[in-house]
Amino acid sequence: DAKTTQPNSMESNEEEPVHLPCNHSTISGTDYIHWYRQLPSQGPEYVIHGLTSNVNNRMASLAIAEDRKSSTLILHRATLRDAAVYYCMDYRYGGSQGNLIFGKGTKLSVKP
Amino acid sequence: DTGVSQNPRHKITKRGQNVTFRCDPISEHNRLYWYRQTLGQGPEFLTYFQNEAQLEKSRLLSDRFSAERPKGSFSTLEIQRTEQGDSAMYLCASSFILGTGVNEKLFFGSGTQLSVL
Repeated sequence: DAKTTQPNSMESNEEEPVHLPCNHSTISGTDYIHWYRQLPSQGPEYVIHGLTSNVNNRMASLAIAEDRKSSTLILHRATLRDAAVYYCMDYRYGGSQGNLIFGKGTKLSVKP
Repeated sequence: DTGVSQNPRHKITKRGQNVTFRCDPISEHNRLYWYRQTLGQGPEFLTYFQNEAQLEKSRLLSDRFSAERPKGSFSTLEIQRTEQGDSAMYLCASSFILGTGVNEKLFFGSGTQLSVL
């Protein structure tokens, strides 16, 4: 089963960029890299995903290493509302456990 | 589009009782997932459906747990003879998948918090 590793927690200051790292040690060539986040008292929400190239959307940017063994989620200007648990995962279509396996994620704290 | 709806939001029950949760997915979403989450942990996969077919159940899922998705619309998750270890947040998610699903995005509800006394 595809599993990733992330730091347990990180801190950031409001309005500063945040780089959340993830290691994808068991990723295979056809797995996509997905990021979700979970705000307090809510279900997870989709943030971004990609295969090989860096990706940008209105929420964040995703930087993927050339060997795909690591990725970085970039929040360009952290706000207090970005305080959440961030999960990175390898999406494996046809894989077990519904294609996505959640780890413990990184708890991001944002200081005003 | 009102998002994924889960009912009830909270459920308190006594050990040994049966409980049932309901999930209403986003309309026209063909996949529906159930997860369980305990404090400090990420969501743990339980089962998922594509339309009305249950495609996978976690091997960790006890026989006391059963899920249905009649007619490929809403889904129910039933836990029989509840135990204190069943206390958790039960999350439902839905998605629309086409082909290989490489762009699949899950939309989660706010969950049902179960407390077994």
